[in-house]
Amino acid sequence: ELKVEQNPLFLSMQEGKNYTIYCNYSTTSDRLYWYRQDPGKSLESLFVLLSNGAVKQEGRLMASLDTKARLSTLHITAAVHDLSATYFCAGIPPGTYKYIFGTGTRLKVLA
Amino acid sequence: DGGITQSPKYLFRKEGQNVTLSCEQNLNHDAMYWYRQDPGQGLRLIYYSQIVNDFQKGDIAEGYSVSREKKESFPLTVTSAQKNPTAFYLCASSIQGREKLFFGSGTQLSVL
Repeated sequence: ELKVEQNPLFLSMQEGKNYTIYCNYSTTSDRLYWYRQDPGKSLESLFVLLSNGAVKQEGRLMASLDTKARLSTLHITAAVHDLSATYFCAGIPPGTYKYIFGTGTRLKVLA
Repeated sequence: DGGITQSPKYLFRKEGQNVTLSCEQNLNHDAMYWYRQDPGQGLRLIYYSQIVNDFQKGDIAEGYSVSREKKESFPLTVTSAQKNPTAFYLCASSIQGREKLFFGSGTQLSVL
């Protein structure tokens, strides 16, 4: 059964700094998703990573996938306050339609 | 504009009462999902459906029921058997399942 773990669970960082959120998963997941959730709001899709070595970037966020290590990372470059949110990763076992979410990383960017 | 509409935004349930959360999408997506989110926690899958008139239990289906009579609609009933229903409920859809999920705005359910 696929389990998805994120760390850290909470992250407080200064504006302008870089940091990485890690997403480990327990069994095979042939694609990996990243979502953002603002407080009290719904989830918004950020990235879908489809294969080993996949890298996607949007603004100050870059996501990568290493299927051999069962690890995805979300790298934040030169953080700004607007990036404050909770970030979730999710995997999906091959041949299934069940998206399994991690517990989320709550990011707070301090001015 | 295409999207997913959840209603109501807030819902209160009395003990012993069944309540139904609505989820409608006009994205022409085949797959629809219900997730539960507790404060400070991740999303847990309740039920999902790949096609009309078919649905599968997720990881926490006990105390919940669903129907999928139309492609656009996937209502969730929280029954009186669900003893701890207070949570934020999110409905989502994807084109056929396995693509990115599109989420509704959620329903906050509380117990009176």
